[in-house]
Amino acid sequence: GAGVSQSPSNKVTEKGKDVELRCDPISGHTALYWYRQSLGQGLEFLIYFQGNSAPDKSGLPSDRFSAERTGGSVSTLTIQRTQQEDSAVYLCASSLQGPGTAPYEQYFGPGTRLTVT
Amino acid sequence: GNSVTQMEGPVTLSEEAFLTINCTYTATGYPSLFWYVQYPGEGLQLLLKATKADDKGSNKGFEATYRKETTSFHLEKGSVQVSDSAVYFCALSTQGGSEKLVFGKGTKLTVNP
Repeated sequence: GAGVSQSPSNKVTEKGKDVELRCDPISGHTALYWYRQSLGQGLEFLIYFQGNSAPDKSGLPSDRFSAERTGGSVSTLTIQRTQQEDSAVYLCASSLQGPGTAPYEQYFGPGTRLTVT
Repeated sequence: GNSVTQMEGPVTLSEEAFLTINCTYTATGYPSLFWYVQYPGEGLQLLLKATKADDKGSNKGFEATYRKETTSFHLEKGSVQVSDSAVYFCALSTQGGSEKLVFGKGTKLTVNP
């Protein structure tokens, strides 16, 4: 079946512009995660969704970052007023939490490479 | 807080050499431990995992043993191949809540023929 997909694969934007990154998780996966991969910071957790709610937003670096998930499926990560330090690869992952035994494998998408000029 | 420390790369080996990538962790509670691999041009994928002390995860000839006494989860392979060239990430998650992954910085492995 289809894996996790993300769009766009690459995004170049000017400093100060807003961007939206999209994630389509594996069908039926209730949990969805956003991570960021950058040269300086490595792989960092951003936000976790269970269904449409986000009980863990602890990794969002500032209030310029927000995310939503609709219909228990597609998620959008929005970065407002982008800064050069936002340049990174943004990864989405999904997992089927329950039934069964934790930990549940997270399946990663190919990522969106964001470059802020 | 939870954290993972893995050996810095890059690591360059000849084909059929023995591989060890060290990983140690700090965690509250009893974490699950993982190795993820990122092949060139591909997404992150789970290589192996272990959920309790003395568990050994294994896959594709790679092994790692959960050592609670040394808080370690070192990755080993007896004979590497060119196709093993990739970036390897050690990670942990704690049960309950989000089960978010906490990653090490990654180790780039290059295997030469």
